Amino acid sequence: DTAVSQTPKYLVTQMGNDKSIKCEQNLGHDTMYWYKQDSKKFLKIMFSYNNKELIINETVPNRFSPKSPDKAHLNLHINSLELGDSAVYFCASSPPVGNTIYFGEGSWLTVV
Amino acid sequence: DAKTTQPPSMDCAEGRAANLPCNHSTISGNEYVYWYRQIHSQGPQYIIHGLKNNETNEMASLIITEDRKSSTLILPHATLRDTAVYYCIVRLHMEYGNKLVFGAGTILRVKS
Repeated sequence: DTAVSQTPKYLVTQMGNDKSIKCEQNLGHDTMYWYKQDSKKFLKIMFSYNNKELIINETVPNRFSPKSPDKAHLNLHINSLELGDSAVYFCASSPPVGNTIYFGEGSWLTVV
Repeated sequence: DAKTTQPPSMDCAEGRAANLPCNHSTISGNEYVYWYRQIHSQGPQYIIHGLKNNETNEMASLIITEDRKSSTLILPHATLRDTAVYYCIVRLHMEYGNKLVFGAGTILRVKS
């Protein structure tokens, strides 16, 4: 009964490949996010969606394309992977009232 | 958003109270103080938040000074499982799209 779940948890892939990370939340939240945590451990927001609409895009390269088929899902597709994309990607969600954000367990992406 | 300053690391003996300070001298009147923590290899976890008054929940207490320029997170009886990075974040409450900005945080090491 995980609240925010991401798959896969670990992903190792070669440069130039295209990969996706899936995220689902069963909390009934309207807003979902993708955060990136790099090797220096800083957490930075990438995208935010509210009811399937993009509301925050933090100047992320076009190779990153989020997709929200419904408000319970926010998937992250990455084209032409680069070495610098290696990081931990966290999906998160928050309710319409109140501003607490609930994070998933993270997806460890390694590009070789 | 107001900037926060936290010590890079702290140690605490198991069973004792852990007091984690945070300075936010440029906080504005309607900005909230949030605390999150990140245990190794896990997603960030919400702990507590407050505006002016001190707050307490099952995890911790939050003490905010009268001038709101600093706050202290208190874990009353720290356990080894409380070893984590603790983030103090100052944020306006938004209708949606809560863009939490994480700093470097404080590494709390609870020792037996």
